[in-house]
Amino acid sequence: GENVEQHPSTLSVQEGDSAVIKCTYSDSASNYFPWYKQELGKGPQLIIDIRSNVGEKKDQRIAVTLNKTAKHFSLHITETQPEDSAVYFCAALSWAAGNKLTFGGGTRVLVKP
Amino acid sequence: KAGVTQTPRYLIKTRGQQVTLSCSPISGHRSVSWYQQTPGQGLQFLFEYFSETQRNKGNFPGRFSGRQFSNSRSEMNVSTLELGDSALYLCASSLATGAGANVLTFGAGSRLTVL
Repeated sequence: GENVEQHPSTLSVQEGDSAVIKCTYSDSASNYFPWYKQELGKGPQLIIDIRSNVGEKKDQRIAVTLNKTAKHFSLHITETQPEDSAVYFCAALSWAAGNKLTFGGGTRVLVKP
Repeated sequence: KAGVTQTPRYLIKTRGQQVTLSCSPISGHRSVSWYQQTPGQGLQFLFEYFSETQRNKGNFPGRFSGRQFSNSRSEMNVSTLELGDSALYLCASSLATGAGANVLTFGAGSRLTVL
């Protein structure tokens, strides 16, 4: 089955700096890669996703890159703000396997004002 | 548009009891998936239901079961509770077909504590 590894497990950045989280996956059949943000007491919230036919996607201060050959994808947050503090999860899914997301272990991001 | 609603939000049970959790998906979403979140194991897939049928299943024992009703609402049941079942149980819904088929929207979860 699919295995997703996520690094780092914790990340502390100064407000205004950039944050980068990296994930690797094992199943070459995976073709959908979402990123979720989870705040305390809430469920994961989709913040951006990328499909395997795209190398990069950007939405305001958030961007995701995908390298299918190397089987890794990354989340980039620029100009970080205190409200970006949360736990971020990457995930991978194969459309052929239905809606079975395999999640990375999560990254706790702390943005210091 | 209402989000995914899970009830109850918090509950405490003792070992050996059973529990039923409920999930109401976003209107129009026909696929409902369940995930277990624990500090040690992270987020793990339990099962997915579509059109009242289990379409996918994770690696959990048979004590974990679920069902989906004709209105797409779903319930999951855990029987003979163990201490290790203490977790946040998350429900997610999606369109199940089309471009948004794999875009999951999660509820806030049901936090189960087993004593």
